[in-house]
Amino acid sequence: DTGVSQNPRHKITKRGQNVTFRCDPISEHNRLYWYRQTLGQGPEFLTYFQNEAQLEKSRLLSDRFSAERPKGSFSTLEIQRTEQGDSAMYLCASSLDSEPGYGYTFGSGTRLTVV
Amino acid sequence: GENVEQHPSTLSVQEGDSAVIKCTYSDSASNYFPWYKQELGKRPQLIIDIRSNVGEKKDQRIAVTLNKTAKHFSLHITETQPEDSAVYFCAATFNDYKLSFGAGTTVTVRA
Repeated sequence: DTGVSQNPRHKITKRGQNVTFRCDPISEHNRLYWYRQTLGQGPEFLTYFQNEAQLEKSRLLSDRFSAERPKGSFSTLEIQRTEQGDSAMYLCASSLDSEPGYGYTFGSGTRLTVV
Repeated sequence: GENVEQHPSTLSVQEGDSAVIKCTYSDSASNYFPWYKQELGKRPQLIIDIRSNVGEKKDQRIAVTLNKTAKHFSLHITETQPEDSAVYFCAATFNDYKLSFGAGTTVTVRA
């Protein structure tokens, strides 16, 4: 296990289509986070899981967005009816329960382009 | 609130000079302040962090200072090198797990 893995690395989709991204955290990390980063900005918090429980969702996460972590391991982020404003880098991160906010490890991200 | 303000937005320095980036945060309960470096097209990578019980931390050419009373913290890079050119983000924890990031500083080191 060499780090947080995200797939796909790039996704180009037409407006209105659904997309799903996957994140595999570091195996011993039970906390998992999704962030979104647009060009020229810092990452913005979207949602957070502790094991399989989704404990917080940002107001940035509209009804078109849903995230799951069914077995407390990998997570998926789905965007339904994509819009051009959804174009961004979607970053996943994980951390240890004993040090929840400390030393996040980010994945390489999935860059979404909605055309 | 969960605001983190970062300045400057761009910074150009001559190789060998120092670079300083400053951030302020809004939540007095924040207790962890990491700095990330992000190269074009790559993930943010943690370069140094500081916890609220410490006022200063140094790692080779990089140092971070924290003033909890004033709610601000700074990144100092000494003897800058071309490979230090990147975007740097400060962040602060909220609710013990959520990181709120600054808008970033694009650092350019001129050879």
